[in-house]
Amino acid sequence: DAGVTQSPTHLIKTRGQQVTLRCSPKSGHDTVSWYQQALGQGPQFIFQYYEEEERQRGNFPDRFSGHQFPNYSSELNVNALLLGDSALYLCASSLGASPYGRLYNEQFFGPGTRLTVL
Amino acid sequence: SQQGEEDPQALSIQEGENATMNCSYKTSINNLQWYRQNSGRGLVHLILIRSNEREKHSGRLRVTLDTSKKSSSLLITASRAADTASYFCATAGPYNNNDMRFGAGTRLTVKP
Repeated sequence: DAGVTQSPTHLIKTRGQQVTLRCSPKSGHDTVSWYQQALGQGPQFIFQYYEEEERQRGNFPDRFSGHQFPNYSSELNVNALLLGDSALYLCASSLGASPYGRLYNEQFFGPGTRLTVL
Repeated sequence: SQQGEEDPQALSIQEGENATMNCSYKTSINNLQWYRQNSGRGLVHLILIRSNEREKHSGRLRVTLDTSKKSSSLLITASRAADTASYFCATAGPYNNNDMRFGAGTRLTVKP
């Protein structure tokens, strides 16, 4: 059973460009959350997708957008890249349908995509 | 903004010793979770403790939670070199587990 997978592993972009990161959730999971982790910091919640809709969003500008597909995989898009967007981007999947699941289900994290903006 | 704050920021011990890391948070929580991260890779879930629980064990891990003090501790007993990693606490708010707030982590180094 494959866990959470993310692609690409590493990415180098220049300021102003746009980037798309991809995530495939763990088998059986229907909810995908995205986090940004700057060097030396803990992950910060960007947003969460469930049933192809953004269910919750953290304190990130509209340059950060996402999408969830019918197979539950997800994309994170960042427009007009800034130097400060350089970070490890983590995707996490979980079961989010039931109220119990939303409260207590473990999130499984992928290995992340290292984005460097020059 | 980050919710949990881990203490200490860095910890260096010898193999076989115990490692204790602390986490403080600011608002009411539904549960608190501890994660491990090796060298900037993905996070590995270690343990979840609910707000109505005070202590939980998993192998060499022991987690305590004091909601009156808004704090938690993670104890790793008989540490091994393979325990070298960054450890994060994450808190979940009252409505769902998916918007987790992480601290900046404790960097643990276990010397062989």
